[in-house]
Order: sequence, then C-alpha cells, then structure tokens
Amino acid sequence: KAGVTQTPRYLIKTRGQQVTLSCSPISGHRSVSWYQQTPGQGLQFLFEYFSETQRNKGNFPGRFSGRQFSNSRSEMNVSTLELGDSALYLCASSRDSGSENEQFFGPGTRLTVL
Amino acid sequence: KNQVEQSPQSLIILEGKNCTLQCNYTVSPFSNLRWYKQDTGRGPVSLTIMTFSENTKSNGRYTATLDADTKQSSLHITASQLSDSASYICVVRKTDDYKLSFGAGTTVTVRA
Repeated sequence: KAGVTQTPRYLIKTRGQQVTLSCSPISGHRSVSWYQQTPGQGLQFLFEYFSETQRNKGNFPGRFSGRQFSNSRSEMNVSTLELGDSALYLCASSRDSGSENEQFFGPGTRLTVL
Repeated sequence: KNQVEQSPQSLIILEGKNCTLQCNYTVSPFSNLRWYKQDTGRGPVSLTIMTFSENTKSNGRYTATLDADTKQSSLHITASQLSDSASYICVVRKTDDYKLSFGAGTTVTVRA
C-alpha cells in the first residue's frame, strides 16, 4: 500500500507570496492532519480534516488555511508568507479521526521563504 | 509552557550501548502516548503507543514505559545501532478533544 505523499518536496518563495501544499493520504484513510516543524518549536499542529470537514485547529493565524476533497486528498495554503513560515510542513493520515488511530506521516514539504 | 517536556535535548552514544530518553507531560485528560522516530529529512514513524492502563510496550530494541500516575514515560534503546541516529519525539493525546501535544524531541547520535 502506498504511503502518504506530499508535493512538492521542496519550495522556495519570497515574502508576501502565497503557497499551496498538497497531501495524498494512504488509500482508505479519511483523516488528514497538517503540522509545522521548525528547529526551535518542534512539531506544531495546524489543523485536522475528516470527511472534508475541519475537526481541529491549532493556534496559527488565519493566513494558514486548508481543505479536504471528497477523495480525502488535502491542501494547505499559506498566504502573505513571512520569513518565519520557513519550515518543514508535514501531513499525516489516519483511518479515522479519534484517539488510538495511528497517524502515518508523509516525507514533508520543505518551505523556504526568502 | 509546553505540556510535553523531553530530556535530554540531545545525546551521543557509542554503537552497541543502551540509552534512555525521558518524557514528562502535564496533558490532561490523558488518552495515549506515542513515541515517534524521525530520521533526518523524513516524516516521523510511530514506534510505540500506550494507553492509560499500559506500563510497558516493546518494538524490537525499543522499549517504552509509562507511569500515568507521575505522568512520565521513557524510551529505552537497547544495543544501539548506527541506524538509531534520529530524533525521537514524544506525543501525548487528550481524551476530550483528541488534540495532540508534541515534545521538542531528543536527538540521538550513535557513533561507531
């Protein structure tokens, strides 16, 4: 079974631009979560989508948004990029939304904002 | 203040030696605790998951323990190998809203 895939793997943008990242979950998984990982902050939860609905949201500004499609694929958008948005963005999928469902992570998208 | 604290921040061990990583949490109400291994440039991979009633869980040379009373967990790596060089992240999930709290991770470097 194919794992979680994320595109693109690497991205370079300039301040003020916007970016869209894509995540394809494992087949059959309906929950997709997004995380930001930086050396100083570690992994931080952005949001979780389940059956096209946002289930949970972390403490990020409104510049960060996401959506999930009917085939469970998900996109994350960051508008008006800031230097501090440079990070590894990880997507994780699980079969369902809930307590013990294991999350499987993708390889991440490395975003650099210049 | 982070609800999940990991120590040490980093450590270096010789191949074949054992090491123990610590995770202290204040997350409540507690649902489960996972340890992840993250190789450089890759996404985290789950090693173990423990619920409230479980004290220990093994996955090969990795053994996790949990003391839900003191809210402490440890990850023990036995007979370390070069491939164990990675960041190890402790993640705690709440029962009510299922939100996850992440530790900052411990970076382990295994040297020959």
